Amino acid sequence: SQQGEEDPQALSIQEGENATMNCSYKTSINNLQWYRQNSGRGLVHLILIRSNEREKHSGRLRVTLDTSKKSSSLLITASRAADTASYFCATDVEGAQKLVFGQGTRLTINP
Amino acid sequence: DAGITQSPRHKVTETGTPVTLRCHQTENHRYMYWYRQDPGHGLRLIHYSYGVKDTDKGEVSDGYSVSRSKTEDFLLTLESATSSQTSVYFCAISESNGGAFFGQGTRLTVV
Repeated sequence: SQQGEEDPQALSIQEGENATMNCSYKTSINNLQWYRQNSGRGLVHLILIRSNEREKHSGRLRVTLDTSKKSSSLLITASRAADTASYFCATDVEGAQKLVFGQGTRLTINP
Repeated sequence: DAGITQSPRHKVTETGTPVTLRCHQTENHRYMYWYRQDPGHGLRLIHYSYGVKDTDKGEVSDGYSVSRSKTEDFLLTLESATSSQTSVYFCAISESNGGAFFGQGTRLTVV
């Protein structure tokens, strides 16, 4: 089974609202990463948080990591129509140097 | 954009034939990955490489083999293609504790 599981699987909100996506994982990690994928395109790296970090910001993105609960969240503030995409978390598995992805959250921003 | 290219971008092949997909990078990154993406499954890791001639299996490696004889090239071979291997295949590259860069994907159809 996959390492990362995202919740919800789909999210639809109005432009300007905040969007929160969650990720749970199973094993120890070196870091956790979030990616965006627009329809029919490759994935684009958004942000990386290391296992010894608890929170990280990048522009309108805020990521938290709770290693005791093996979970992470991605918050996108003041959403825009251009944020419509699928978002994936990925874990850099400790001791294995392999990057394992979850199933993703499909985010739709309604104008 | 990171220098990573996949070839071919599209391929239709017949059941039972061997198929090789190529991933080429110009970034000199140590780690390379092959994923497949199918609806409802997100990205699943097929094989990955942590150096020249150093490869390991991912979660869905059956029916696939890989080779990495040079830093810049990572080949994925479907030994005898089956319809269940119809998918979109993505290659990715990364360095230790860094985000991954993805290719544009190869759409493979096995008929």
